[in-house]
Formats: sequence, C-alpha cells, structure tokens
Amino acid sequence: DADVTQTPRNRITKTGKRIMLECSQTKGHDRMYWYRQDPGLGLRLIYYSFDVKDINKGEISDGYSVSRQAQAKFSLSLESAIPNQTALYFCATSDLKGAGIQTDEQFFGPGTRLTVL
Amino acid sequence: TQLLEQSPQFLSIQEGENLTVYCNSSSVFSSLQWYRQEPGEGPVLLVTVVTGGEVKKLKRLTFQFGDARKDSSLHITAAQPGDTGLYLCAGISNDYKLSFGAGTTVTVRA
Repeated sequence: DADVTQTPRNRITKTGKRIMLECSQTKGHDRMYWYRQDPGLGLRLIYYSFDVKDINKGEISDGYSVSRQAQAKFSLSLESAIPNQTALYFCATSDLKGAGIQTDEQFFGPGTRLTVL
Repeated sequence: TQLLEQSPQFLSIQEGENLTVYCNSSSVFSSLQWYRQEPGEGPVLLVTVVTGGEVKKLKRLTFQFGDARKDSSLHITAAQPGDTGLYLCAGISNDYKLSFGAGTTVTVRA
C-alpha cells in the first residue's frame, strides 16, 4: 500500500464551488505539505504543517485553506474555486525526528489533477 | 520569477548518449536535492548534496553541488529509456524551506 495517499485522484468542478482535497499518510511523519504543479513553473508550496497544532502559509496560499485533523491527515480546501486554480496538486510528508534539517527528504503522494471550469 | 532556474527545459537524446542538466540560482542554499518524477506519480528523491563542491554518484548519475552552493548539475552517462522523466532540483534555504526549479523533461529514445 502507498505510504502517502491522496483523494480524489481527478476532479472536475465549476467556478465558485467549494472543493476539498485530502491527504493521508502511514509513514508516521510530523511534517506535511501541499504543493501545486503547473507546466513550466515547477512545484510551488501552498501550505505546510510541522505538527498537528502548526499551520504555515507557503508562497501561494491565497484562495486556499488547510486543516490538519491528525498527524496522519492534512486536507486542502478551495473555498470558491476559480479556473486559474486548475493544476496538479501534491501532498508530501517529511520526518523531523532523526533527520537533519539539511537533508529533509520529502515523500510525495500520487497527486490530484483538478480542473476548474 | 523562479528562485532556481533549470536548463534546458526539454532534452531528447538517443539511448547510450550522455546528458547534463543544470540548476542555477543567485541564492545560497544549505543543501540541494534532485528529484525524478514520472507521469502520474509524485517526485521521488534521488540525492541530497550538502557541502559546496560535493560530488555524489548514483550508478550512472553524477550530481555536483557548486563550490558557492548556488548551483548544481546532474550528469547521466550512457542514458537508457528508463531514465526518461521530469528531473527537478530543489534548494533548502537556511529557514528550512524547499524551493523547486521548473524541471527538465528528459526523453531517452531507444
């Protein structure tokens, strides 16, 4: 079974709709991240969480919100979706314990392809 | 504006040829990572380089971190079709944030 899972894998929605993307992990990692990937722009950080009580904005948080329901679950919400939020969204985890900050390996889920019409 | 610039954006070569992908920045990073991403999947870490001037080898892949810790390169020797994918560099800054380059799409033709 995959260590980092994302649901749904694909979603088509309309402008103005509220959308939630969910991420679950079985790696036991404290840190979780949400990225979006656009062609020619690479991966950009939306939000990150270093533990259940910690939520931080990334470089492109406007229009998004997150919830860290448990160590293993981190969800991303689009309160009112707009077409320029069409992208591939990735959840990732990393392990604070035992790993040096300089070598923080991130483990990615398979991605959610979101299309906003 | 990308913090990390990767070049080239696309690279298509014949099996057996060599290739080099570059990752450049005006910023200094505490370490730099290279990831590989295949269609329909998330990126997977290949290597982390930490020390300026460091060279790491992973089978046919050679990774180098610049002396000033602002740039890196990935060299593949005798490329194979299985090396096809999107290669992403990512710099870790002193405040522990990861910044990704836009990626280089490598296609190795059989």
